[in-house]
Amino acid sequence: NAGVTQTPKFRVLKTGQSMTLLCAQDMNHEYMYWYRQDPGMGLRLIHYSVGEGTTAKGEVPDGYNVSRLKKQNFLLGLESAAPSQTSVYFCASTQALAGANEQFFGPGTRLTVL
Amino acid sequence: AQSVTQLGSHVSVSEGALVLLRCNYSSSVPPYLFWYVQYPNQGLQLLLKYTTGATLVKGINGFEAEFKKSETSFHLTKPSAHMSDAAEYFCAVSDRGYKLSFGAGTTVTVRA
Repeated sequence: NAGVTQTPKFRVLKTGQSMTLLCAQDMNHEYMYWYRQDPGMGLRLIHYSVGEGTTAKGEVPDGYNVSRLKKQNFLLGLESAAPSQTSVYFCASTQALAGANEQFFGPGTRLTVL
Repeated sequence: AQSVTQLGSHVSVSEGALVLLRCNYSSSVPPYLFWYVQYPNQGLQLLLKYTTGATLVKGINGFEAEFKKSETSFHLTKPSAHMSDAAEYFCAVSDRGYKLSFGAGTTVTVRA
């Protein structure tokens, strides 16, 4: 099992460019999440999905869009990147049980927006 | 709504000394509580979790945490630090739904 994988690992964008981050999990998990990690702020939830075809906003959704067309994949899009989106992005997944299950994290994508 | 406060953004300990990382939470319902560890340039991995039952929870790598409802705390300890414990540690709380709220993190440095 690969667990949770993220593509790409690193990316540098110019302001206004767009990109898509791909998250894939092979654990048949129902729930998937996108977080951003910034120094001194912990992890903040951007968007999440409770199943194929469904998405919802998290704590900091502005400037991001997501899609969950297949159960195993969760895509995060930046339509017009801004320097404030420079961050490390983590994807996570978990089983669909009430809150007691750990979230499994990918290795992260380090994004720099110039 | 739930939230987490981790006291101290950086902790430095000597090898062999006690590691103590503090976490206080707020939750409107009985919480589920988690500690995660992040090694440099890696994702987060679970150290331990509290759901119900015994309030002293043992995790991997010799870590343990105690849930104290009266103090709304879930502090993480390890009796004897090892160089490999150098990492960032995150406390997280769930309101029994499917979302976690994370603290800001505590970076642990271990001195030889």
